[in-house]
Amino acid sequence: GQQVMQIPQYQHVQEGEDFTTYCNSSTTLSNIQWYKQRPGGHPVFLIQLVKSGEVKKQKRLTFQFGEAKKNSSLHITATQTTDVGTYFCAGPSYGGSQGNLIFGKGTKLSVKP
Amino acid sequence: NAGVTQTPKFQVLKTGQSMTLQCAQDMNHEYMSWYRQDPGMGLRLIHYSVGAGITDQGEVPNGYNVSRSTTEDFPLRLLSAAPSQTSVYFCASRSDSTDTQYFGPGTRLTVL
Repeated sequence: GQQVMQIPQYQHVQEGEDFTTYCNSSTTLSNIQWYKQRPGGHPVFLIQLVKSGEVKKQKRLTFQFGEAKKNSSLHITATQTTDVGTYFCAGPSYGGSQGNLIFGKGTKLSVKP
Repeated sequence: NAGVTQTPKFQVLKTGQSMTLQCAQDMNHEYMSWYRQDPGMGLRLIHYSVGAGITDQGEVPNGYNVSRSTTEDFPLRLLSAAPSQTSVYFCASRSDSTDTQYFGPGTRLTVL
């Protein structure tokens, strides 16, 4: 069945270091979304990428959608303690409703001050 | 707007008990969904609804029932709770114009 995989599962960094999480889909995606979940919180939408090869930036966060629209990455430059949390990618789930998403298992980021 | 609200925030049940997790949204979204989140498993879709009166099963529907009598409300029912249903439950609604999903604060359920 359709799968969305994320690596790494965990990442521990020193404050100021960079961080990257990778997302790979078993199928071509029409779009990919990224969410952040703070410890004890709920997932919050960060961004959606639609175009092949698209790159979008939000301050220190850079999101990229692969040329084949099967992979994506999130890069954080110079991490801060406020970046702590779990980052999920999600793509449309095929076979069900158009609104359904299939989520990766997430990358949990911890930042040591 | 309150967005997506969920009650209760925490719940402890005994095996075999029933309960309803409440979810409401005030954004007039047609699409709503329920997920469960378990350590290392990410978010898994339980049930979803594309509008009032229309519901369907997601990836892990067994043991759960839903109904959608209004656009605003989408309750999740556990008819006979089992320890395997210990999890964090999130309700979400989706914007028709942007595909963005908005999550509620979650219900942390423990079944003993």
